[in-house]
Amino acid sequence: EAQVTQNPRYLITVTGKKLTVTCSQNMNHEYMSWYRQDPGLGLRQIYYSMNVEVTDKGDVPEGYKVSRKEKRNFPLILESPSPNQTSLYFCASSLIALAGINEQFFGPGTRLTVL
Amino acid sequence: GESVGLHLPTLSVQEGDNSIINCAYSNSASDYFIWYKQESGKGPQFIIDIRSNMDKRQGQRVTVLLNKTVKHLSLQIAATQPGDSAVYFCAERPTGNQFYFGTGTSLTVIP
Repeated sequence: EAQVTQNPRYLITVTGKKLTVTCSQNMNHEYMSWYRQDPGLGLRQIYYSMNVEVTDKGDVPEGYKVSRKEKRNFPLILESPSPNQTSLYFCASSLIALAGINEQFFGPGTRLTVL
Repeated sequence: GESVGLHLPTLSVQEGDNSIINCAYSNSASDYFIWYKQESGKGPQFIIDIRSNMDKRQGQRVTVLLNKTVKHLSLQIAATQPGDSAVYFCAERPTGNQFYFGTGTSLTVIP
């Protein structure tokens, strides 16, 4: 089954404790992206990657890191989490066509709480 | 970032009626638009898309209309069913490698 998986689905942590949220897709998509979803704000892009070893900042990259060492994986790293990073996080992937990225396939989400 | 908004945050419809969800986008350079459905506890799912060279596109029970003059997008759902209850949001693609998403309209279908 074609899918995007994220782990963990739920995480409660404390300020300053480094964490990683994993994301993996099995559709051989070149494009992968991380979003956070907050009430009243919609999905905001954190980082995206057009291919292996190519990553770019989205609209809200502060406090986050990513890496793309393999095509299928795109982990999101919070080196020193803070309470304002409490949110619902989605990973997504997409094919890249001539005109750009197409529909994105989203993972199930990771609900992160930073105390 | 881009401003992609919706006219109404909530919408309630009777089962069997048609639903119309609206979206205003801000970037006249956007060339591709998508409507997503997000059920509680799940990630967004693709419903239908439309390119800027089209005014209308139909899927199964859904139709998307694009008015580039006023930068407006709408999603019409025919014969709305309880399973259609979800949050719906639009997304625009102003550049080839990024999408901007609206805040969503919560659709409730009354049996």
